[in-house]
Amino acid sequence: EADIYQTPRYLVIGTGKKITLECSQTMGHDKMYWYQQDPGMELHLIHYSYGVNSTEKGDLSSESTVSRIRTEHFPLTLESARPSHTSQYLCASSVRQSPLHFGNGTRLTVT
Amino acid sequence: DAKTTQPTSMDCAEGRAANLPCNHSTISGNEYVYWYRQIHSQGPQYIIHGLKNNETNEMASLIITEDRKSSTLILPHATLRDTAVYYCIVIGTNAGKSTFGDGTTLTVKP
Repeated sequence: EADIYQTPRYLVIGTGKKITLECSQTMGHDKMYWYQQDPGMELHLIHYSYGVNSTEKGDLSSESTVSRIRTEHFPLTLESARPSHTSQYLCASSVRQSPLHFGNGTRLTVT
Repeated sequence: DAKTTQPTSMDCAEGRAANLPCNHSTISGNEYVYWYRQIHSQGPQYIIHGLKNNETNEMASLIITEDRKSSTLILPHATLRDTAVYYCIVIGTNAGKSTFGDGTTLTVKP
């Protein structure tokens, strides 16, 4: 079941462009997360939020920023995309100690 | 949150049980063991979790040793579609702030 949605699924963009990756969930989960994953590599937490107006940086340093104005929405923004940002970005949500629900990810390529 | 150790890869014959081990020797008393899998770089999918008792659901069984230092995920009748990377992670109070590690790549062969 697709209770957490990420758009776009694939994105190819030139260096220097500003991009926003969208993530929305319909489950009312208070906690949301962004992970970055290079092909064949492990997931790295880059941002998380415990609720509206709450955002924190994760374990892996990232040049991206996030916002949490609404419970269901947790967009990630890159002000100036670079080839080093090429990766897959996965959004997840949870409530209390429930399992994480992941979206299908956005595969970003910066040329 | 405690770290976990898993074999890099495993093979399993289709229709047989797949037993995936995980070592979590530094687990603390309030931490759960969670298993996820990831197919073709899609978002990871939750499989099962447990604290200290063995657990079973429609997807798998989870066996946790009495000292909780290790666990085994069992897929009772593996199919080709079970080929994936399986992650064992230990989670305390925050489900998302956990290290996924490299996981075990399970290949189910005909």
